[in-house]
Amino acid sequence: KAGVTQTPRYLIKTRGQQVTLSCSPISGHRSVSWYQQTPGQGLQFLFEYFSETQRNKGNFPGRFSGRQFSNSRSEMNVSTLELGDSALYLCASSLGPIRSYNEQFFGPGTRLTVL
Amino acid sequence: SQQGEEDPQALSIQEGENATMNCSYKTSINNLQWYRQNSGRGLVHLILIRSNEREKHSGRLRVTLDTSKKSSSLLITASRAADTASYFCATYAGGTSYGKLTFGQGTILTVHP
Repeated sequence: KAGVTQTPRYLIKTRGQQVTLSCSPISGHRSVSWYQQTPGQGLQFLFEYFSETQRNKGNFPGRFSGRQFSNSRSEMNVSTLELGDSALYLCASSLGPIRSYNEQFFGPGTRLTVL
Repeated sequence: SQQGEEDPQALSIQEGENATMNCSYKTSINNLQWYRQNSGRGLVHLILIRSNEREKHSGRLRVTLDTSKKSSSLLITASRAADTASYFCATYAGGTSYGKLTFGQGTILTVHP
């Protein structure tokens, strides 16, 4: 069974631009969560999607948004990029929501650099 | 803000030795999970322990949870060079509603051959 895939793997953008990252979960998984990892703040929860609905969101500004499609694939969007948005963005999928003790499987991440 | 704080921040040992990492957290939790990350790549789930469990084993891994002290430890026995990675604890405090995983800052483990 294929693992979680994220595209693109690397991305370079300039301040003010917007970016869309994509995540394809493991087949049969219905929950997708997104995390941001930076050296200073560590791993921080962005949001969780289950059955095409955002179930929870971390403490990030409204510039960070996402969605989940009927096939469980998910995208996250960051508008008006700032230098501080440079990070590794990780997507994780699970059979069900995090609250149900479901193991999360992480993708390799998208490394975003904002210049 | 980080819910889990890990100790030590870095650990360097020889192959064959045991490695112990500790995690402390602040609020009541539903479960606690340990993850491994190799060189800035994706995380690999190691083990999940529920709040009503005290100890769990998986291969060379042993996790304990003390909810009264709000702490957990991860023991890797007979370590190998391939265990070199960053290890994170993550707590889930959502209860029956939708919550979120909160990660600690991690412990960098280096196992020398």
